[in-house]
Order: sequence, then structure tokens, then C-alpha cells
Amino acid sequence: KAGVTQTPRYLIKTRGQQVTLSCSPISGHRSVSWYQQTPGQGLQFLFEYFSETQRNKGNFPGRFSGRQFSNSRSEMNVSTLELGDSALYLCASSTVPGQGHYGYTFGSGTRLTVV
Amino acid sequence: GENVEQHPSTLSVQEGDSAVIKCTYSDSASNYFPWYKQELGKGPQLIIDIRSNVGEKKDQRIAVTLNKTAKHFSLHITETQPEDSAVYFCAARGDDKIIFGKGTRLHILP
Repeated sequence: KAGVTQTPRYLIKTRGQQVTLSCSPISGHRSVSWYQQTPGQGLQFLFEYFSETQRNKGNFPGRFSGRQFSNSRSEMNVSTLELGDSALYLCASSTVPGQGHYGYTFGSGTRLTVV
Repeated sequence: GENVEQHPSTLSVQEGDSAVIKCTYSDSASNYFPWYKQELGKGPQLIIDIRSNVGEKKDQRIAVTLNKTAKHFSLHITETQPEDSAVYFCAARGDDKIIFGKGTRLHILP
């Protein structure tokens, strides 16, 4: 059974550019969540999608957006990149969100460096 | 807002000794408490979890305990081995979202 696939693994972008990251969940998983991981802040929740709808959103500026497709694959976009956006972006999938959730399966992440 | 405090941030133990990582949570609606292990260059991996109707759960060398009254839960690793070196995250999940602790970097000393 394939795990959660995130592409690309590494990205280097310049300040002001935008970037799109992709996440393919485990087959049959319909919920996808995104996290930003930095050394100082740990895992910060970005948003959660289920059945193409955003269910929850963390405290990030509007430059951070996402979407989910009918096949459950998800993308997140960051516009007008800032140096502080440099981080490991993790995607996690699960069967369903909400009560009864049994834990995420994380991908290996996309390491974004903004220069 | 909801919060999960995790301690210590760094822990060094001699190989073969036990390691304990502690977390407290603030949201009394939390009902699910997973622990994740993250190795270098990888995403976090679920290693053990516990639900609010259970006080303790064990899986080989790993155990988790939960004190709902005090809103504490802990990870216990016995007979530590070099491959236990990693960053460990606790988390608490209520109805709508999951909150992670900031992680504990565990070093196993030879």
C-alpha cells in the first residue's frame, strides 16, 4: 500500500515568488491536512480538507491557500513568498476527519527554502 | 486557545535505560492522544495512541499513560536502543482539530 506522496521533496524559491506543493494521500483516505514545521514552532496546522471542502484553517495569512481535488489529491499554494516561509511542509492523510479519527499518516514533506 | 505542552524539549539517556516524555493539554474535550516519532529527513510516524476511555496502553517497549483528571499523558520507552534516537511529538485531538506539542529530541547515548 503506497504511503502519502509529497512532491517535490525540495524547492528553492526567491522572495516574492509563489509556490505550489502537491500531496497524494493514501488510497481510500479522503481527509488531507497540511502542516508547517519549523525548528522554533514545531508543527503548525495550516488547513484540513475533506471531500474537496476546507473543514478547518489555522492561523496563517491569506497568502497560504489550498484545495482538494475529487480524487482526494491536495495542493497548497503560497504566494508572495517571504524568508520566514522557509520550512518543511508536511501533508497528512486520514480516512475521515472529526471524531473517531485514528491518527494521521504523514508524508515525508517538502522542504521549501526561500532566498 | 487550546494548547499542548511537551517536556522536556531535549532528553539524553544511556542506551538500555528508560525515557519518559510528558505532555499536558488544555482542551477538556480532547479524546484521542497519539504519539509520533520523526526521524531525520522523514515525516512523523504514528507509534502509539490512546483514547480517553483508557488509562494505559503498551506495545512492546513503548507505553503511554493518560490521566484525564490532571490532563496529563506520557510516553515511556524502556530498554532504549540507538534507533530510538529521534524527535517525538505528542498530540491531543478533540472534535475538530489536533494540536501537537513542540517535540522532544531524544538522544540515546552509547
